[in-house]
Amino acid sequence: AQSVSQHNHHVILSEAASLELGCNYSYGGTVNLFWYVQYPGQHLQLLLKYFSGDPLVKGIKGFEAEFIKSKFSFNLRKPSVQWSDTAEYFCAALDQTGANNLFFGTGTRLTVIP
Amino acid sequence: ETGVTQTPRHLVMGMTNKKSLKCEQHLGHNAMYWYKQSAKKPLELMFVYSLEERVENNSVPSRFSPECPNSSHLFLHLHTLQPEDSALYLCASSQAWGAGHEQYFGPGTRLTVT
Repeated sequence: AQSVSQHNHHVILSEAASLELGCNYSYGGTVNLFWYVQYPGQHLQLLLKYFSGDPLVKGIKGFEAEFIKSKFSFNLRKPSVQWSDTAEYFCAALDQTGANNLFFGTGTRLTVIP
Repeated sequence: ETGVTQTPRHLVMGMTNKKSLKCEQHLGHNAMYWYKQSAKKPLELMFVYSLEERVENNSVPSRFSPECPNSSHLFLHLHTLQPEDSALYLCASSQAWGAGHEQYFGPGTRLTVT
């Protein structure tokens, strides 16, 4: 079955620390990949997306993610986090060769300590 | 006006009640979605409408009944719900259904079934 795994459930960092959140997907074909963020009390917002081309994609607020096809991974990174990055982060994947729908991971809660 | 709006934001209903959730998108999109977000679980896709036709029904119990009267509006009619149906219900829209299109989410309706 199609699935997306986020192994970090809760990450706690101090401001200025570097961030990497893991995401793995189970599809073997062509995929679209996404990272969404949900700030406290707000709706899901798109951070970045990968459809094709350069596997290193840059999103808003200094975030980036790298698509590594051989590892079925799409990890999210930020070199220096801020208190305002405290939020829940969701990885999602759409399998173009299967069901045309988006599958989400369980989310990773990031807490940044000032 | 934000892109995707949902009303009500909070709803408490008894198991014998009938209520409806409303979603409206102001983005000119052709696909709309209902998701269920429960704690510690991935977002679960419930229904997909593309060009006002239902294209996906993910084994959702019949006590949930969607309606898409036009491309801007989506409803979720609820009746004889169970306590385990308590969750955050999210609406989303995209330019079209399928690959190559990111989804934009509304703020959700927090549903509590008593």
